[in-house]
Amino acid sequence: SQTIHQWPATLVQPVGSPLSLECTVEGTSNPNLYWYRQAAGRGLQLLFYSVGIGQISSEVPQNLSASRPQDRQFILSSKKLLLSDSGFYLCAWSVRRQNTEAFFGQGTRLTVV
Amino acid sequence: AQSVTQPDIHITVSEGASLELRCNYSYGATPYLFWYVQSPGQGLQLLLKYFSGDTLVQGIKGFEAEFKRSQSSFNLRKPSVHWSDAAEYFCAVAFPNFGNEKLTFGTGTRLTIIP
Repeated sequence: SQTIHQWPATLVQPVGSPLSLECTVEGTSNPNLYWYRQAAGRGLQLLFYSVGIGQISSEVPQNLSASRPQDRQFILSSKKLLLSDSGFYLCAWSVRRQNTEAFFGQGTRLTVV
Repeated sequence: AQSVTQPDIHITVSEGASLELRCNYSYGATPYLFWYVQSPGQGLQLLLKYFSGDTLVQGIKGFEAEFKRSQSSFNLRKPSVHWSDAAEYFCAVAFPNFGNEKLTFGTGTRLTIIP
């Protein structure tokens, strides 16, 4: 069966520090991968999605970047965090080119102080 | 632009009462439709989905949703809520004509259950 791992679960980082959140998927190949951010009262905002290694699409301009160094690994990064980067970050995957839902990780609560 | 709207930010119902959560979308054709539930500090769990066919779909935990093309709606229902249903509920759509399956979410409805 497929599983998705996302870590860390919580993170407190000072303003200006770098960020690296990692997400890996097991039990499937060639998944679509996604990073979402959830802010209070604003639902889930799609930040990045990827349909293959090295293929990243950004949905909104921001202080973050994403990379997909391996088929089932998706990394969210920042060189210098801003206070506004605080939020709940969710990684998700779906089966490519099929009518299926997205499956979510447990999320990372990031607090920038 | 394509979008999904959940008009109710917060709903409070009594345990045992019926529930309906609203979801409307804006799109020129029929999208793929989903309802997810999120417990505090957790990821999202799929309740049900609609791609085509029967417009009344059954999901987990006793939930159902009905797709109404004329109203561009996909409302979530449950005949009798339980205290464990307290959570945040998200409607989501995917627009297949755009060549990928990325989901667009509504802003969510927080459900509170009172005894």
